[in-house]
Amino acid sequence: GESVGLHLPTLSVQEGDNSIINCAYSNSASDYFIWYKQESGKGPQFIIDIRSNMDKRQGQRVTVLLNKTVKHLSLQIAATQPGDSAVYFCAETSNNAGNMLTFGGGTRLMVKP
Amino acid sequence: GAGVSQSPSNKVTEKGKDVELRCDPISGHTALYWYRQRLGQGLEFLIYFQGNSAPDKSGLPSDRFSAERTGESVSTLTIQRTQQEDSAVYLCASSLGGPPPQHFGDGTRLSIL
Repeated sequence: GESVGLHLPTLSVQEGDNSIINCAYSNSASDYFIWYKQESGKGPQFIIDIRSNMDKRQGQRVTVLLNKTVKHLSLQIAATQPGDSAVYFCAETSNNAGNMLTFGGGTRLMVKP
Repeated sequence: GAGVSQSPSNKVTEKGKDVELRCDPISGHTALYWYRQRLGQGLEFLIYFQGNSAPDKSGLPSDRFSAERTGESVSTLTIQRTQQEDSAVYLCASSLGGPPPQHFGDGTRLSIL
């Protein structure tokens, strides 16, 4: 099937290592941020979100960090597994924008067994 | 199913033809969004429906693109006189409205010959 992200930045990690995927967002008025995972031929799948009044939020094996000063978002995946291989997108939005998501360009994560 | 459903999953058509893409959102979701994803790129916002409010059409790339939604259910995205640059995956998402995350369907892969 068609691949998503043929020319995206790629992060290659060893199975079991931790992964960090970074994203620079553009709008200082954004107050809600989301990370999505997209596998080939599938729609984006919600991973974790964070509001602008927080700087860290943890989920199962994932942590999102928000630095509003430099408009930077990161996704940390602990003990990366082969099933984590996908393209990861950050997205930003705000109430003023009608909650329409503005997506970053994406990063391809490849997990080596 | 419980997720966002899109049809058809694939559509191949000749340049100049009209196409209609369908989205069935998650039941109870008042907000519905259409996005376009070109190969190797992130998602571009097209149009947003929220309840009975007038849709936000600010992302539609030309007047060949239009969309309708019946109440808080099915939406159709229509592209008239298709051009080769319309080739992309068209993704639909729905949400409860406000900042809760948008849930995506798997998209319609549109190919214009």
